[in-house]
Amino acid sequence: QKEVEQNSGPLSVPEGAIASLNCTYSDRGSQSFFWYRQYSGKSPELIMFIYSNGDKEDGRFTAQLNKASQYVSLLIRDSQPSDSATYLCAVYNFNKFYFGSGTKLNVKP
Amino acid sequence: DAGVTQSPTHLIKTRGQQVTLRCSPKSGHDTVSWYQQALGQGPQFIFQYYEEEERQRGNFPDRFSGHQFPNYSSELNVNALLLGDSALYLCASSFRERAFFGQGTRLTVV
Repeated sequence: QKEVEQNSGPLSVPEGAIASLNCTYSDRGSQSFFWYRQYSGKSPELIMFIYSNGDKEDGRFTAQLNKASQYVSLLIRDSQPSDSATYLCAVYNFNKFYFGSGTKLNVKP
Repeated sequence: DAGVTQSPTHLIKTRGQQVTLRCSPKSGHDTVSWYQQALGQGPQFIFQYYEEEERQRGNFPDRFSGHQFPNYSSELNVNALLLGDSALYLCASSFRERAFFGQGTRLTVV
């Protein structure tokens, strides 16, 4: 079983819609969760991090954490074509990151 | 304030050769981690350096080795290259849990 699991997609949404990206993790003791965005051929870029159960909002992005279900999600409101990228979910345990394989998001104009 | 810088950006090597990749961390960051990202996969942890010592290591063979210098910069060395070592190699510098990635080195083994 992988530490972090994501649906590889692609997830296609129209411009202006809400994109919902999901991630599950296996270590129930995990405390820190991160979302990175990666454009094709580029390195991952930190978007958001969340430590506590509930929602955390930053601009058009909302991270949601449910530790009981071992579930993390990222919502992107008013999706733009420039949001088209692969989104990596990461869990920080024992001084290192465990990454999912990423979900590819396509935002269609 | 410079971010994380890696060199070179692209590299082509022949199977069996050795390669050295370099990383300068973000100012104020004392921990450097290296990741390998194969096409279509998430980054996989190789090892982490802190205070010039390897603090922990992922599931990679001994052909992968590294070093951290007193100025916190780091090198990743790979010996006896295999075709399967072709990947994007990412350096991440961190202070506590906030990790920032360099632009990566794209290694192609032919």
